[in-house]
Amino acid sequence: QKEVEQDPGPLSVPEGAIVSLNCTYSNSAFQYFMWYRQYSRKGPELLMYTYSSGNKEDGRFTAQVDKSSKYISLFIRDSQPSDSATYLCAMTPGGGNKLTFGTGTQLKVEL
Amino acid sequence: NAGVTQTPKFQVLKTGQSMTLQCAQDMNHNSMYWYRQDPGMGLRLIYYSASEGTTDKGEVPNGYNVSRLNKREFSLRLESAAPSQTSVYFCASSATGTGNEKLFFGSGTQLSVL
Repeated sequence: QKEVEQDPGPLSVPEGAIVSLNCTYSNSAFQYFMWYRQYSRKGPELLMYTYSSGNKEDGRFTAQVDKSSKYISLFIRDSQPSDSATYLCAMTPGGGNKLTFGTGTQLKVEL
Repeated sequence: NAGVTQTPKFQVLKTGQSMTLQCAQDMNHNSMYWYRQDPGMGLRLIYYSASEGTTDKGEVPNGYNVSRLNKREFSLRLESAAPSQTSVYFCASSATGTGNEKLFFGSGTQLSVL
């Protein structure tokens, strides 16, 4: 079993929909949680960063962490075709430990 | 502002050939990384360099060597390429290497080994 599980998709939604992307993990030591967005043939770029549990909002994006369930989510409101990309979750215990990445979920927002 | 620059963008090798992937960053970051990305496997760390003059193995180091040439440059070498090394390779950098900080990625090198 992988330390971080992520549904690969593809997930196809109409423009304007609310999108929910999720990851589950098994390592209870993870404290820092990130979402990276990767456009086709590009490198990943950091989208959201959360420490410990709770919600964090940035514009149309909300990151949610539930440590009791070992479950993190990324919500995208009013999705746009420009949101079409692969979304990678990543997490680490911190303290010099390197990031563990999920496999990524491919999202397509259609007109 | 270039960020992280990787060369080449595409490469085709025959089994047994060698090559070096180049990476340079202009953000004065201390730490640099090499990842490979394969379908269904996600990003896996090959090697990293916490600071100039140091290198350490990541999750999948076999078949690779690295050189931290100076603070800006971190190269990845395949001495004898194998088909299992067909992948997309990403170089990344971060300010201090604590693990819980933002990684800046290059655009990747798509490598095919025939």
